[in-house]
Amino acid sequence: QVVLTQSPSASASLGASVKLTCTLSSGHSSYAIAWHQQQPEKGPRYLMKLNSDGSHSKGDGIPDRFSGSSSGAERYLTISSLQSEDEADYYCQIWGTGIRVFGGGTKLTVL
Amino acid sequence: QVQLVESGGGVVQPGRSLRLSCAASGFTFSTYGMHWVRQAPGKGLEWVSLIWYDGSKENYADSVKGRFTISRDNSKNTLYLQMNSLRAEDTAVYYCARDMTTVTPGPFDIWGQGTMVTVSS
Repeated sequence: QVVLTQSPSASASLGASVKLTCTLSSGHSSYAIAWHQQQPEKGPRYLMKLNSDGSHSKGDGIPDRFSGSSSGAERYLTISSLQSEDEADYYCQIWGTGIRVFGGGTKLTVL
Repeated sequence: QVQLVESGGGVVQPGRSLRLSCAASGFTFSTYGMHWVRQAPGKGLEWVSLIWYDGSKENYADSVKGRFTISRDNSKNTLYLQMNSLRAEDTAVYYCARDMTTVTPGPFDIWGQGTMVTVSS
């Protein structure tokens, strides 16, 4: 079964950029993933679907500051011009027939 | 406005049952696969269960198989989760979520706000 690995935490300064990583387990480097954001005390929100070639499609109302890219088994979420409301947990997700899997999540702190 | 609203959470004793509901609005509910996802306090997201758009198939995480049952009423635009033989480790916020694509598997693009279930004596 595919496993998604995320660093538990990340931090960056207000106005700076940050790149979060989701790593697919061996043999699954062609999979697309999705990124979700969960702000404190809120439900998750869909950010984007990210393909293995780096192409991505964002959800409604997601700012241009959020972008995705891919390299091999790595899937990235880049947030530029960090704002205080970007402080949140970020989860990657994959899907298949009859199953959905989440990464462990990355807690982003905006300094 | 596309929306999912969960209800039915509460405090329940170990071994008892609880039924959650998720009311959908703003989209054609009967054409989307629907899911339940939970999040234990301070933990990450855990997928719980899936039901196909027409209710013809269901899938469950191993942690709830045989105890939880997902169902839907497309005439009422409502998703359900019947939770039996509840355990302390089922304590979590339960979210319903929609598949982004109709018919075929896809990521979640719409989430509810969640309902809290606490299993405690």
